[in-house]
Amino acid sequence: SAVISQKPSRDICQRGTSLTIQCQVDSQVTMMFWYRQQPGQSLTLIATANQGSEATYESGFVIDKFPISRPNLTFSTLTVSNMSPEDSSIYLCSVGGAGYTFGSGTRLTVV
Amino acid sequence: GQQLNQSPQSMFIQEGEDVSMNCTSSSIFNTWLWYKQDPGEGPVLLIALYKAGELTSNGRLTAQFGITRKDSFLNISASIPSDVGIYFCAGHNFRNEKLTFGTGTRLTIIP
Repeated sequence: SAVISQKPSRDICQRGTSLTIQCQVDSQVTMMFWYRQQPGQSLTLIATANQGSEATYESGFVIDKFPISRPNLTFSTLTVSNMSPEDSSIYLCSVGGAGYTFGSGTRLTVV
Repeated sequence: GQQLNQSPQSMFIQEGEDVSMNCTSSSIFNTWLWYKQDPGEGPVLLIALYKAGELTSNGRLTAQFGITRKDSFLNISASIPSDVGIYFCAGHNFRNEKLTFGTGTRLTIIP
């Protein structure tokens, strides 16, 4: 299965700023997924990122708040924009296929 | 977004005991997956089930894909301290490659 490197692993950010999270996969994959895990909660899909097309966002998530880039088949970024304390969560990227692998996550705290 | 009903929400057991947890959905899934998440880490895939009625083992773990394709269970036999963590079920849909996660079961082992 694919190996995913995600960074940063954690960050503490000021409200109103933005943070970009990077996800690097060791093999080419068609679809990459970004999830949010709020404190003590399960994982919720934010969006699906396909190379060469706009990301598809789930209900409740919008591109202006969570812009995503997918420049090639091994890399994607998620930006959390204009952050507020409510954005404090773990953000995870994932790839599909037989492995269904997740990155180790980015623990974001907004103060 | 949709989440699967997973029970129990938490379990407190003694080392050596067997554990059972299950997941139900109002929708049919093509694949059922079971993950374990340790603190500060992303979910790690334990078992994947691809066919209704399938019973699969991975060491001390056994999982089954329900006949109706709307449920799954995970059993852990002879629990050990490293089994502590949060277990998530997830349903996978071939049509859109998305994973829908259960609400999670937190397993604690009492010394």
